[in-house]
Order: sequence, then C-alpha cells, then structure tokens
Amino acid sequence: EVQLQESGPGLVKPSQSLSLTCSVTGYSITSNYWGWIRKFPGNKMEWMGYISYSGSTSYNPSLKSRISITRDTSKNQFFLQLNSVTTEDTATYYCARSRIIRGTGYYFDYWGQGVMVTVSS
Amino acid sequence: DVQMTQSPSNLAASPGESVSINCKASKSISKYLAWYQQKPGKANKLLIYSGSTLQSGTPSRFSGSGSGTDFTLTIRNLEPEDFGLYYCQQHNEYPYTFGAGTKLELK
Repeated sequence: EVQLQESGPGLVKPSQSLSLTCSVTGYSITSNYWGWIRKFPGNKMEWMGYISYSGSTSYNPSLKSRISITRDTSKNQFFLQLNSVTTEDTATYYCARSRIIRGTGYYFDYWGQGVMVTVSS
Repeated sequence: DVQMTQSPSNLAASPGESVSINCKASKSISKYLAWYQQKPGKANKLLIYSGSTLQSGTPSRFSGSGSGTDFTLTIRNLEPEDFGLYYCQQHNEYPYTFGAGTKLELK
C-alpha cells in the first residue's frame, strides 16, 4: 500500500525558509509524480507543485520564485523548501502522489496526513 | 487560473439521506474534476476523478456527474463515516485549483 508521511518543523520564523520532508513507502518515487498541496486556516486549498519520476519539477506560478521541490531517491523521499515565508504561509502542508491523464492535468490519489506549520516570530 | 466555486459551504443531513454538492468552474474544464473527502487525523481520500470515475475502493453510493463548468457529487444513503469535509479540484489545466470545501455534518 502506498503511504506518505510529512515531517518537519511546526514553527518557522518570518523571512526564514520552510523545509518539509515527505517519506514514501510502498511505491518508488522514481515512478509517477509527487506533489505538495497546502490548506490554509479557513480551508482554502492550494496546489504548490510537483517533482516527476525523472526529477523535473512544476510549480504554481503564485509561488514560483520562492519554492523548490527536490528528492532523494535512495531514501524514497522528496522535499519542499519555501523561502522568505510570511504569516500568510501558515497552513497544513500535505504531500501526495499525483496522477495524470494524458493531455490534461493532475489529481492526487494518495495523501499524507499533513503537517501543520505556523509562521510566527 | 480556473476558479472553482463550491456549494453549499455547509450541509447537514441524517444517515440514510441523500445529498448533493455542487462545483462550478469559471471556464470549461471538460470532464476533468476530482472529488476528495477530508477527515481529521486521516489522509485525504480521492473519491472520484474525471468527473464520474470512481477511484478504486470508493463505495458505489458516491457518484459524480457533470461536464464543462458544472459538476455534482451525490452521496446516496449516507453512512456515518461519510460526514466530513469535501473538496472539488479541477485537473484539466495548470495550475490545478480547488473549491473552498463543503462541510457535511450530522443533523
């Protein structure tokens, strides 16, 4: 069974970088696409980006200058780094396996349980 | 970006009843809409993709319909485990966007 688990600091200071890890079991990250999605207080959800089986990435334009998704295939993990965070980045962050239908876009068939990150001084 | 408008925001129902949740896209997304269930302490669950295709393991009391800009998730014969938060998400074009969520509560 595919399982994902997010980990990382629950508190980050403004202007610093937010770094999270997604550990995947039951499936290799060298197949498919692997993404990050966040849920803000008030329930709004935002797709942040993905890293593909080959290591290529795609990001939400709203985050493009601040976001980086990388991976370590030897550990079957992928990572989120979000730079220059503000209080508006306070959210629950989810990692998910992304599936694609040829010619269209991505939906998400396996998710982690999420990790809450608060940006505060 | 494609804006997704989900309604209602809140819905109260009893076990055994049927409910519908609507999702409207700001432009045509063909059939490419997914529905998710979210419950505290549990991983989000993909219920339906491509508008009406049930994800493996989704009970048959869930169904999805619609195309273009208007979509509906229907849950028939509500079970106690169906109560939670539901989201739609368009998977037609980048960037992939979500509705604001519908909270389905026990009446």
